[in-house]
Amino acid sequence: QQQVKQSPQSLIVQKGGISIINCAYENTAFDYFPWYQQFPGKGPALLIAIRPDVSEKKEGRFTISFNKSAKQFSLHIMDSQPGDSATYFCAASMVQAGTALIFGKGTTLSVSS
Amino acid sequence: EAQVTQNPRYLITVTGKKLTVTCSQNMNHEYMSWYRQDPGLGLRQIYYSMNVEVTDKGDVPEGYKVSRKEKRNFPLILESPSPNQTSLYFCASSFGVPSSEQYFGPGTRLTVT
Repeated sequence: QQQVKQSPQSLIVQKGGISIINCAYENTAFDYFPWYQQFPGKGPALLIAIRPDVSEKKEGRFTISFNKSAKQFSLHIMDSQPGDSATYFCAASMVQAGTALIFGKGTTLSVSS
Repeated sequence: EAQVTQNPRYLITVTGKKLTVTCSQNMNHEYMSWYRQDPGLGLRQIYYSMNVEVTDKGDVPEGYKVSRKEKRNFPLILESPSPNQTSLYFCASSFGVPSSEQYFGPGTRLTVT
């Protein structure tokens, strides 16, 4: 019940296309859902995050869509660029309970030019 | 510059030879943790520390030790490394609760032969 399931494992998108990465969770007590971006040779860094009281959050070309009833959330990258090529991790946690982040297994995105 | 530093960045060692990976942060964060990253398994938490002298096990603590004698430092100790501990290790820190934004170090690639 503590797992966060992420798909796909890898993704190849043409430059200018839309990249979509999906995550699903079981624990309805999760109340914080961040996405981390990791470039080769670097540590992950927070990209964007959402709380369950909103269904969508947008920052530039990056959007999180959140479906509370389906217990799913997804990252959409609009107008994907070669510089977006990285590994993306979704995560979930219970802020009120002060629990650690539970990470998905990651998605390696390659944007071809 | 606010950052998390890790040393060494790369390490090749032999089975059974004790080693320490250092981690230091200059952001006055209370919470620090260690993760290992393996292909197809994502980021898994090894140990964490809520503050000085307070440490606890994460999801995969076997074969590892940690200490938190100073707020800024959180070393990871492998008393008797084994080949299954070959991995990419990340130290992370955050202000307050562990579910807040995690700042990751650059990683340490460990190979145990």
